[in-house]
Amino acid sequence: QVQLVESGGGLVKPGGSLRLSCAASGFTFSDYDMTWIRQAPGKGLEWVSNIKSSGAYTKYADSVKGRFTISRDNAKNSLYLQMNSLRAEDTAVYYCARGYRYHRWWGQGTLVTVSP
Amino acid sequence: DIQMTQSPSSLSASIGDRVTITCQASQDINNSLNWYQQKPGKAPKLLIYDASNLETGVPSRFSGSGSGTDFTFTISSLQPEDIATYFCQQYDNFPRTFGPGTKVDIK
Repeated sequence: QVQLVESGGGLVKPGGSLRLSCAASGFTFSDYDMTWIRQAPGKGLEWVSNIKSSGAYTKYADSVKGRFTISRDNAKNSLYLQMNSLRAEDTAVYYCARGYRYHRWWGQGTLVTVSP
Repeated sequence: DIQMTQSPSSLSASIGDRVTITCQASQDINNSLNWYQQKPGKAPKLLIYDASNLETGVPSRFSGSGSGTDFTFTISSLQPEDIATYFCQQYDNFPRTFGPGTKVDIK
């Protein structure tokens, strides 16, 4: 069955970096666009970034553009989010989700906390 | 960016009640709208895609309608397991944007 498992979250100081990973299984990863979506504690959902199945095209929310980089390794069935220059407002649960238009499958999320 | 608004922000209803949530887009998004259900501590779950298509395995008491800028999500007969927050999301344009959510609980 389809599984998405995020990892890499944790506590980081403002200005620091983290790299999130999402391990995919149960489907042909290279056939699907992938998305990162985040949710600050007690808040709503915020779309962060999207990458096409080939990895050739990416999109970002203005709030993370220039600081975050989405990538994928289709040979490893993995999606990544490199997060640099982290700010307090980046504190959230980060979900990876399959799909470009709608997200039928989500991971369980990984918590990123940006705090001194 | 396309702004999504939802109303109400929260509601309380009795078991068996019909529940309706509205979602409005700041510009025409055709039928490029999804509805998700999220329970505390869990990832969102897709219920409705393309404004009115019921996701496989989702009970038929859930439905969606609308096109353009105005959309409606309905639970025809509220069940205890429907206690959750519901979000709409547009995918007509980037950035994808979500509504602020509607929290549904039992009266």
